[in-house]
Amino acid sequence: DVQLQESGPGLVKPSQSLSLTCTVTGYSITSDYAWNWIRQFPGNKLEWMGYISYSGSTSYNPSLKSRISITRDTSKNQFFLQLNSVTTEDTATYYCARAGTYYGPDYWGQGTTLTVSS
Amino acid sequence: DIKMTQSPSSMYASLGERVTITCKASQDINSYLSWFQQKPGKSPKTLIYRANRLVDGVPSRFSGSGSGQDYSLTISSLEYEDMGIYYCLQYDEFPPWTFGGGTKLEIK
Repeated sequence: DVQLQESGPGLVKPSQSLSLTCTVTGYSITSDYAWNWIRQFPGNKLEWMGYISYSGSTSYNPSLKSRISITRDTSKNQFFLQLNSVTTEDTATYYCARAGTYYGPDYWGQGTTLTVSS
Repeated sequence: DIKMTQSPSSMYASLGERVTITCKASQDINSYLSWFQQKPGKSPKTLIYRANRLVDGVPSRFSGSGSGQDYSLTISSLEYEDMGIYYCLQYDEFPPWTFGGGTKLEIK
């Protein structure tokens, strides 16, 4: 069974960078699909942040401009989110999710909560 | 960006009632639309993809329909476990994929 699990620091100070990890089991991230980061703000609004595809190409939400980077470690079957220059508005629950171009998102991680605060 | 307008934002319904939630896209999204259910403290669960394709294991009381810009999720007979927040997502055009604002469904 495909499972995704997010991990991260929980708390980051403003202006710092956040780094999150998504560990995938039950499926190789190099086989197929796009591997996504999606966040949910307090108040429940969902925002798609970006993905890294099975081939290693990336696509990002333009609203995040140059602050975002998604990379991967294929040997560990993990992919990562880095978001630079965080502010309190980046406080959210961050989810990783698998998605297909036909199916859309199908498997989701349980989410990791990130608070940006001094 | 494609804007997804979801309605209603919240609703109360009775057990056994037929419930319909709608999403309107700001342009044709060619049926590249998913519906998700989220319960408190849990991650979203995919119910439907490609507007009307039911994910394996999702009860048959859930159905999706629509085309072009207009889509709906219907629960044919509401059960207690269906309480939660429902979201639509368009994945036709990116970046970015865009979500509806959510519908909070509560039992009357």
